[in-house]
Amino acid sequence: KQEVTQIPAALSVPEGENLVLNCSFTDSAIYNLQWFRQDPGKGLTSLLLIQSSQREQTSGRLNASLDKSSGRSTLYIAASQPGDSATYLCAVNSGYSTLTFGKGTMLLVSP
Amino acid sequence: EADIYQTPRYLVIGTGKKITLECSQTMGHDKMYWYQQDPGMELHLIHYSYGVNSTEKGDLSSESTVSRIRTEHFPLTLESARPSHTSQYLCASSEGSGSPEAFFGQGTRLTVV
Repeated sequence: KQEVTQIPAALSVPEGENLVLNCSFTDSAIYNLQWFRQDPGKGLTSLLLIQSSQREQTSGRLNASLDKSSGRSTLYIAASQPGDSATYLCAVNSGYSTLTFGKGTMLLVSP
Repeated sequence: EADIYQTPRYLVIGTGKKITLECSQTMGHDKMYWYQQDPGMELHLIHYSYGVNSTEKGDLSSESTVSRIRTEHFPLTLESARPSHTSQYLCASSEGSGSPEAFFGQGTRLTVV
């Protein structure tokens, strides 16, 4: 059974810092991995999707990498801003397009 | 841009009532999903559908039921709500082929008193 772990559980940084969020998964036989953002009480916003054949994806200040063989993904956020404060979720598609989620990293960026 | 809508956004209801949470998408996606999320916890899949008249139970046991009569609509029903059903329910959809990206609605926060 696929399990997804996200480290750290919470992170507090001053504005402008570059930061890395980590995601690990137990079964490397995945189809894709998706990073989401969730604001309090809201739904999920898709940030980046990495197919199993890809090594990384970039969108603006966000860069996500995937090392399928070691079961790891990282989300890199450059020049963090207070508006980046949210919970970041990693989800793995191991088949049938259903997703297994980690518990998330709660990020607070202070001005 | 994702076009998937959930209603209501918030619902407070008494024990024993029957409720239906609505989910609609305008993207023509074949696959739709319901996830449940308790505060501070990860999302768990409770139901999914690969198309009209197709429904399956997810990893997390749930007393809810779903139906898929139209491609765009995937309602979730609780026949008799209980306080243990208090949670956030999130609907999602994705294309039918390949390794598609999933898009989520804004969620319904259900409180059963």
